[in-house]
Parts: sequence; structure tokens; C-alpha cells
Amino acid sequence: DAKTTQPTSMDCAEGRAANLPCNHSTISGNEYVYWYRQIHSQGPQYIIHGLKNNETNEMASLIITEDRKSSTLILPHATLRDTAVYYCIVVLTGTASKLTFGTGTRLQVTL
Amino acid sequence: NAGVMQNPRHLVRRRGQEARLRCSPMKGHSHVYWYRQLPEEGLKFMVYLQKENIIDESGMPKERFSAEFPKEGPSILRIQQVVRGDSAAYFCASSPGQFPMSPLHFGNGTRLTVT
Repeated sequence: DAKTTQPTSMDCAEGRAANLPCNHSTISGNEYVYWYRQIHSQGPQYIIHGLKNNETNEMASLIITEDRKSSTLILPHATLRDTAVYYCIVVLTGTASKLTFGTGTRLQVTL
Repeated sequence: NAGVMQNPRHLVRRRGQEARLRCSPMKGHSHVYWYRQLPEEGLKFMVYLQKENIIDESGMPKERFSAEFPKEGPSILRIQQVVRGDSAAYFCASSPGQFPMSPLHFGNGTRLTVT
């Protein structure tokens, strides 16, 4: 699986958009980009995933650059409840694929 | 549609006892994954199972740990003769089909404390 690089921490004001970057310069054509978050002491929560195209759901948007070497997770209107550790994970397709969590970005949403 | 259910939420065991952790996947999900999170550390993969089969156990300690996902009933992670170093949060995840085309959905974990 391709390695990812994320900032260690970020701050965002409540109500503003939170843009979380992720670099995955060694990604291959059949690797998905996945985003999860973990709020303290809870299980990881699935946010969104994509292969090549940009994706949007009720939680967030995922913007993948044309060369697929980086992506951005966008939370359009951050709230205090979005404070969490956000993980960007690249996963190769295969019969025994699994998530491998790194250190993620600690997002702090402030008043 | 209920999410992934894990029980118990908290489990206390004395050194040398056995711990059994249960995971009921979401309805219609036949793929189950177990992860462990030690205090102040990230999640580490342990084992991946489909109904009645272990697909990948590369993250499981070679001794004292075992997992099963029977045809009927929940998936069980079993830890024999627990030691203090087994104290951690254990998370289960499930998916309806092959990952990563289908996302994994996690439960809220079982927190094991070994005294």
C-alpha cells in the first residue's frame, strides 16, 4: 500500500470549512483513498472514499488531484463535534485488503 | 439498521484468566476484521475473517490469541492467560463485500483491563 503524509495537527473555527490535506505520491492506479476519523475513545468512523473521481456525501467531500498524488478532505461547516483524529489511508485492491492506520491529523475545531 | 455491536464494552480480567470478546457485524455483512489499540497508540490490524474462514491473521500474536467467525452467531476474539500487556481497546469492523470496494464499519470497541 502507498504511504501517506498528513499534517500532525490543524485548527479550524466553528462554522468554517475544514480542509485536510493528504499526500500519497506513490499511489498506484488500483489503490483507493479512504478517510476515517476517530473521536476520543470511540471506534473509527467511516467518512468517504474514492478511486479517481471527486466524491461527496452527507458528511464531506473528497477532492483527488488529477495525478492522484494528493487529496483533500473537506468538511464544509465544521462543528465542535468534528474535533477528532482524521486518517487518510491508501488501500490496494485485493482479496485480503485491510486498513492500516497511521498517525493521522488531529483536527481541533474552536469557537 | 443497527451498526456493528461489540460486547462487553468493558471487561476486567485478572492475569491468567481468559477474555472473550464478541462482535456482531452489521446485517448482511460477511467480512469481519479485528483491530487493537494500545493506550496512546494507533490501531493495529489483527485478523480478517469471512464466515468460517480466517483470511489473514498476520497481525495476531502467535500465542494465546485466536479468532473465529462461525456460520451462526457473532465473531469471537479469544485471549487465553491474559497478561497486563493485553490491556487495550479491541475494535471490530465489518463490511458487506470485498474491501476496499466496500467500506469497513467499526463498532465502539471492548476495553480490556488486566489487573
